[in-house]
Order: sequence, then structure tokens, then C-alpha cells
Amino acid sequence: AQSVSQHNHHVILSEAASLELGCNYSYGGTVNLFWYVQYPGQHLQLLLKYFSGDPLVKGIKGFEAEFIKSKFSFNLRKPSVQWSDTAEYFCAVNGKDTDKLIFGTGTRLQVFP
Amino acid sequence: DVKVTQSSRYLVKRTGEKVFLECVQDMDHENMFWYRQDPGLGLRLIYFSYDVKMKEKGDIPEGYSVSREKKERFSLILESASTNQTSMYLCASSLRGALGGYTFGSGTRLTVV
Repeated sequence: AQSVSQHNHHVILSEAASLELGCNYSYGGTVNLFWYVQYPGQHLQLLLKYFSGDPLVKGIKGFEAEFIKSKFSFNLRKPSVQWSDTAEYFCAVNGKDTDKLIFGTGTRLQVFP
Repeated sequence: DVKVTQSSRYLVKRTGEKVFLECVQDMDHENMFWYRQDPGLGLRLIYFSYDVKMKEKGDIPEGYSVSREKKERFSLILESASTNQTSMYLCASSLRGALGGYTFGSGTRLTVV
């Protein structure tokens, strides 16, 4: 079955710490991959996306993600988090043959000053 | 600024009522989606529409129906609201191919009492 797994449900960090959020997917065929962010009280926003080409993708606000095809992974990273990065982060995938995104269960990130 | 607008931010309805959730987008997107967001479950697709009057069931369509009479408007209908439909409902839209990702609305928090 097609699915997205985010194993870290809740992550707590201090400012300036490095961040890596895991995302693994199960999907037959070629995929597009996304990370979305939902700040408290706000709507989901696209953080970055991967369709093809360079597997290291850079997004907004200093975030990046690496697509590792052999591991079916698309982990999100940031070298130094800020308090304003406190949010919920969702990984999502769709196949090249469909416009429907499958979302993971989300990772809640709390950053303390 | 492009937008997906959901008509209500908060809604309280009684068990058994027929409930309409409205969503309008101003980006001329072909695709529109309804998701529900629940803690620990992430986003789950209820219905998807890829064109006017066209719809596809998502992962959890039971108890819901949809209507898309105009390209910019996508309505979610709860035929007979039940307490287990208490949730946050998110509308999204995208271009065909979804290469730009989805644009989400701010959500409607529905409570069924």
C-alpha cells in the first residue's frame, strides 16, 4: 500500500541545534516529494519539493531535503534552528501518474530559546 | 496574493444536521481537494475533483459527498453529521500535474455535538 512514514512524532530542540526529520515512503513507481510546514494557527505552506534532478533540494527559510532513492527517504534538514521554526512538518508524496498527495502523520517541532 | 478561502473558520453543528463546507480558489486551478486533519493521523484525503462536475473518492469518503459546479468552488457536504466527524477540514487546490504543490486554505474546525 502507498504510504508515508514520519517516525519522529515530537521533536524538542534548543535554538542553534541542527535538525533532521525523517520521512520514508512506500510507493511503486516514480514519485514527487514534498515537505509542508504548518505554523501555529496558520495554513499549510510548501517548504520544498523534489521532482527530478539533483537529489539535494533547497527550500525556504534555510531548509533542505535529500532524496535517497535506495532508501525511499526524503529527510528534512536545517543546520541551525530558530524559535520561529516551531511548527508541525508534513512529508508528502505523489506518483507521476496522479495528482493526489499522500501525507505523513506529521512531526511537531518545538524550539526553545 | 493567490488564495484558497474557506467560508468558515469555526463551525458547531448538531448530530444529524446536514453540513456544507465551502471552498473557493482564485488561481484557476483544475484540481481541488478536501482533507481532514486529526492529531496523530496527519491529513487524510476525503474527496478530490480534477474538473467541474468530476470527482474521485479519497481514502475516507464515507459519510461525505462533494459538489463542484464551478471551477473555483468545491463544496464538502456531511449528509448527516456525527460526532466522529468532529475535525479540522482543509481545502486545497493545484494545477493539473500538481508540480507546484498544493495551496491550502486556513481550514474549518468543525465540532459536532
